[in-house]
Amino acid sequence: DQQVKQNSPSLSVQEGRISILNCDYTNSMFDYFLWYKKYPAEGPTFLISISSIKDKNEDGRFTVFLNKSAKHLSLHIVPSQPGDSAVYFCAASPPGGGADGLTFGKGTHLIIQP
Amino acid sequence: NAGVTQTPKFQVLKTGQSMTLQCAQDMNHEYMSWYRQDPGMGLRLIHYSVGAGITDQGEVPNGYNVSRSTTEDFPLRLLSAAPSQTSVYFCASSWTGESYEQYFGPGTRLTVT
Repeated sequence: DQQVKQNSPSLSVQEGRISILNCDYTNSMFDYFLWYKKYPAEGPTFLISISSIKDKNEDGRFTVFLNKSAKHLSLHIVPSQPGDSAVYFCAASPPGGGADGLTFGKGTHLIIQP
Repeated sequence: NAGVTQTPKFQVLKTGQSMTLQCAQDMNHEYMSWYRQDPGMGLRLIHYSVGAGITDQGEVPNGYNVSRSTTEDFPLRLLSAAPSQTSVYFCASSWTGESYEQYFGPGTRLTVT
């Protein structure tokens, strides 16, 4: 049973527009959520996170929104740039789960078109 | 400061062979872990360690062994390779086990024939 779902395997967005990547979860115990970005032939790098006590967290061009009632989070990238082309993984953890408690989604491949 | 390093980058094994994937970090992180990534799958935790001398199993530990004799190194051993272990393996580290954000190595692509 997949507890963290990224239902779009890929997403194509024009440069300069907004990219919206979605993530749904089924485990209501999850209370901390992260997004990782991965380029080909590299390891994932941490991008942004959000705790369940917030509904929004912003870092430059990246904003993560959390809707606890819908068990849904989204990552917004504005404006999208060519360097944003990568695979984005959503991850979630229950309270006190720490790094070993993380469950990852399958990833969404974001392609920024010039 | 090299961060998390992994060797080798690529490896081809025959079924039944054994090998060790190396992982080292120079950030003095307490927590280290191994993940595997398969096509169309998220990262799945194999084993982790919260400090030297302490290891524990993750979601998919079967067929793998680990040890943590130093803070810096966390090798992953495949005892008898099987085609199902064909995957990309990532090592990661973080300050403590309570830290959610991890630093990942570049990965080892393993093919078992």
